[in-house]
Amino acid sequence: EDKVVQSPLSLVVHEGDTVTLNCSYEVTNFRSLLWYKQEKKAPTFLFMLTSSGIEKKSGRLSSILDKKELSSILNITATQTGDSAIYLCAVEFGTSGSRLTFGEGTQLTVNP
Amino acid sequence: NAGVMQNPRHLVRRRGQEARLRCSPMKGHSHVYWYRQLPEEGLKFMVYLQKENIIDESGMPKERFSAEFPKEGPSILRIQQVVRGDSAAYFCASSPLLGINSPLHFGNGTRLTVT
Repeated sequence: EDKVVQSPLSLVVHEGDTVTLNCSYEVTNFRSLLWYKQEKKAPTFLFMLTSSGIEKKSGRLSSILDKKELSSILNITATQTGDSAIYLCAVEFGTSGSRLTFGEGTQLTVNP
Repeated sequence: NAGVMQNPRHLVRRRGQEARLRCSPMKGHSHVYWYRQLPEEGLKFMVYLQKENIIDESGMPKERFSAEFPKEGPSILRIQQVVRGDSAAYFCASSPLLGINSPLHFGNGTRLTVT
């Protein structure tokens, strides 16, 4: 059965800490892995990863895919309270369409 | 450049009533996806539609749920005879073309509460 697993499920840190969120997957015909940030509303797109070993960066956030290990990590450095959110990992797979299978998410809380 | 528009934002229905959720995709996007998020859970795929076609409805419950994306107008997710277990956030997402490496863009969701 195709699945996406995220860890940890929740994480509480202090402002300024660095966090690493994990996502592993078991799917057939992998196409891409995506990270989204969800606050109270719509999941907002962060990164899309298709190639192994190439880091994508956006400010304090970065992510990398390891196709050999069937996993990805999302790093956030110098965390701020505004980083508090649910971080969702999703995998696009199969031979047609852009259907995503999501992990359960990691609830990140950044305390001042 | 409006994003994915969903309405209503909040919907309250009594058990047995019908719920209609609307989604207008981003301009230029012809593919619409519906996802459901139950409390404390991740997003679960429900259905994938193109204009006038259902491409993949493998995530839709077999009964009471239906979806359409007509040639004109928004996509509609319809839930008949709602039950308490239908209470959830329903998100719509859109993308431009089939199979292109383009991320899905989500709307703000409709939070359905069944009393």
